[in-house]
Amino acid sequence: AQSVAQPEDQVNVAEGNPLTVKCTYSVSGNPYLFWYVQYPNRGLQFLLKYITGDNLVKGSYGFEAEFNKSQTSFHLKKPSALVSDSALYFCAVRGPVNNNDMRFGAGTRLTVKP
Amino acid sequence: DSGVTQTPKHLITATGQRVTLRCSPRSGDLSVYWYQQSLDQGLQFLIQYYNGEERAKGNILERFSAQQFPDLHSELNLSSLELGDSALYFCASQGPNTEAFFGQGTRLTVV
Repeated sequence: AQSVAQPEDQVNVAEGNPLTVKCTYSVSGNPYLFWYVQYPNRGLQFLLKYITGDNLVKGSYGFEAEFNKSQTSFHLKKPSALVSDSALYFCAVRGPVNNNDMRFGAGTRLTVKP
Repeated sequence: DSGVTQTPKHLITATGQRVTLRCSPRSGDLSVYWYQQSLDQGLQFLIQYYNGEERAKGNILERFSAQQFPDLHSELNLSSLELGDSALYFCASQGPNTEAFFGQGTRLTVV
């Protein structure tokens, strides 16, 4: 069965600095990979996805993610963090074989300090 | 608006009681997932339904049960409630070639 790991519970960065939120996955076959963001007292919002094609995927709010097949990773990145980016970020994976089953990581809390 | 509707938004109930949370998925989505999130923690996968059938089970307590009806809406039943069941309960729906879309959640408070 597919699974994801987000190795960091918490990531702290200063405003204006680049940020990276890490995600590794395990799946049979080619993965479908997703990032979601959750602001306080809200549901999860879709940020971006990788299905196929270019390994660098661009999404909402200036975020991007890089798919690395050899390292089975899909790290979320942003060149310049904003205080308003502070939120909980979830990585998710879906396998192509059983493509209706999504699995989410435990989440990483990003705090951007002014 | 994700297109996924959860009701009620808030629910306060006493220990020992039973509640039902409802989820209406996006039109045409056959998969429904239920998740529990406690105090800004990660998502705990509870259960998944696909076109009326149970597809996968996660960390769902025996006191909890769910079902998906022919019109594809789903209900999560929580019984013999305990203080520790207080949490946000999210429903998500998913189509065959899409990402999952989440509802706004039901905040359950057990007093």
